[in-house]
Amino acid sequence: DVKVTQSSRYLVKRTGEKVFLECVQDMDHENMFWYRQDPGLGLRLIYFSYDVKMKEKGDIPEGYSVSREKKERFSLILESASTNQTSMYLCASSPPRGIYNEQFFGPGTRLTVL
Amino acid sequence: AQKITQTQPGMFVQEKEAVTLDCTYDTSDQSYGLFWYKQPSSGEMIFLIYQGSYDEQNATEGRYSLNFQKARKSANLVISASQLGDSAMYFCAMREDTGKLIFGQGTTLQVKP
Repeated sequence: DVKVTQSSRYLVKRTGEKVFLECVQDMDHENMFWYRQDPGLGLRLIYFSYDVKMKEKGDIPEGYSVSREKKERFSLILESASTNQTSMYLCASSPPRGIYNEQFFGPGTRLTVL
Repeated sequence: AQKITQTQPGMFVQEKEAVTLDCTYDTSDQSYGLFWYKQPSSGEMIFLIYQGSYDEQNATEGRYSLNFQKARKSANLVISASQLGDSAMYFCAMREDTGKLIFGQGTTLQVKP
């Protein structure tokens, strides 16, 4: 079974703090993704990565950065957390591009920035 | 621009009845994939069903089927014989050639006993 794990289910941080959200997958997937989910907006892609040390901006990268030093781990970094970054963050992984590449999701991290 | 639209923010269905969740998409790609995911209140995203743009038959997975109408650019999810455990949020998504998924806004389904 594919397993995608995220470091925390719930996180509370203060405005201005640096926040790290960690994601690990155990299926040797090349692709990894970070989304945020907000009511009425669905999931929006923040950043994604096709390989180690590679990263691509998604639709809403402002205020975020990412790191992928190892194939199995993809970190999302909030350099200086703000209240408008309070959200549910979902990590996903998938095999390389192909006709069919389902994304496998982690359980999510609900981040609150006070 | 690629876009997925789910126009039903919330739906109710009686237990054991069938329900259709709507999804329309917009793309200029010839090759694309359409997915439906279920998100229960616990938060995890559960893959339900996939339809490729070149698939001629509608996809089916148990009680789930995808009503794919390519000319209309619609990919509606049909759940037959609804169960209480089907109460959740449902997302339609489209895969681009890059491998990225674009999600709709989601539809919350509540199954009434």
